[in-house]
Amino acid sequence: DAGVIQSPRHEVTEMGQEVTLRCKPISGHNSLFWYRQTMMRGLELLIYFNNNVPIDDSGMPEDRFSAKMPNASFSTLKIQPSEPRDSAVYFCASSPLRDYGYTFGSGTRLTVV
Amino acid sequence: SQQGEEDPQALSIQEGENATMNCSYKTSINNLQWYRQNSGRGLVHLILIRSNEREKHSGRLRVTLDTSKKSSSLLITASRAADTASYFCATVSGAGSYQLTFGKGTKLSVIP
Repeated sequence: DAGVIQSPRHEVTEMGQEVTLRCKPISGHNSLFWYRQTMMRGLELLIYFNNNVPIDDSGMPEDRFSAKMPNASFSTLKIQPSEPRDSAVYFCASSPLRDYGYTFGSGTRLTVV
Repeated sequence: SQQGEEDPQALSIQEGENATMNCSYKTSINNLQWYRQNSGRGLVHLILIRSNEREKHSGRLRVTLDTSKKSSSLLITASRAADTASYFCATVSGAGSYQLTFGKGTKLSVIP
């Protein structure tokens, strides 16, 4: 099992550009989560999906952020347009059941200059 | 918003000593989980304790849960330099909820 796979590992982009982060969850896990981690705010849940359906996106900071899960093996988090304050590490995680731990990916370190 | 609050924020101990980290939370929970994060890496799930459980063990880890005090503790016995990491508690609350809410973590340094 390769675990949760995120790409890219690092992304440096200019303010105003579109950024797309990708995630492949563990096969058979029906819940997928996107988190953002910063020194100031810690780990924040942005959005989560159950069986490919978005359940709670109340953590998405602005309309500039959008997430999709077109099938059980792929999800994207898009920021358009990006701003310097979006700089953070973005993690994707998946889980098979509620009473089960999450498996996190290695994260995407995003720097917006 | 943070649900769990870890204490202390930072802890430095000698190799071989025990490390205890505490977590307090605000609302009733379904379960509480502890995670470890090495610098620059993703989080790794350590242990999950359900709201009707009081204590769980996994190797050198011991977790307790006191729902009356809304608190949990993580004990790492006989610590090793490789245990140096940040440790987070996280809670699942609410009927039908899957989402984990994390605290800000305890940074543990184990000095060889």
